[in-house]
Amino acid sequence: QKEVEQDPGPLSVPEGAIVSLNCTYSNSAFQYFMWYRQYSRKGPELLMYTYSSGNKEDGRFTAQVDKSSKYISLFIRDSQPSDSATYLCAMRAPNFGNEKLTFGTGTRLTIIP
Amino acid sequence: DSGVTQTPKHLITATGQRVTLRCSPRSGDLSVYWYQQSLDQGLQFLIQYYNGEERAKGNILERFSAQQFPDLHSELNLSSLELGDSALYFCASSLREDTEAFFGQGTRLTVV
Repeated sequence: QKEVEQDPGPLSVPEGAIVSLNCTYSNSAFQYFMWYRQYSRKGPELLMYTYSSGNKEDGRFTAQVDKSSKYISLFIRDSQPSDSATYLCAMRAPNFGNEKLTFGTGTRLTIIP
Repeated sequence: DSGVTQTPKHLITATGQRVTLRCSPRSGDLSVYWYQQSLDQGLQFLIQYYNGEERAKGNILERFSAQQFPDLHSELNLSSLELGDSALYFCASSLREDTEAFFGQGTRLTVV
């Protein structure tokens, strides 16, 4: 079993819909959680960076962490065609640095105009 | 633009050859990470440097090596290339080892 599980999709939703992307993890030591957006053949772009549990909002994006369920989510409101990309979750424990970042395999999202 | 610069963007080479990939981190970032991304493997951590010193190794093959120079740019050397080395190679940088990591646009390596 992988430490981080992420549904690869593909996920297709109509423009304007709310998108929910999720990751589950097994390592209870993980405390830092990130979401990256990766356009085709481009580098991952950091979208959200959160610590421990709770919600964090940035524009149309909301990151949610539920440590009791070992489950993290990224919500995209008013989705746009430009949101079409692969979304990667990543996480690590507090006593380690980025060399121990564990990535999900990514969910491919397509927003249909 | 993340501020991390990688060159070249594309590289096509033959099996058995050696190539060098270059990474310039964001201004002020001391830590550099190299990753390999292939279709069936996702992002695989290769190696990390911090302020010129090697700090951590991941799943890096013995045919691969890296270094970080005094000006903090880094190079990843891939030798005796095989078809299976074809992948996207990303560099990321962070101010410290426990702060956010930002990725470059990658080098697409094709071994023929």
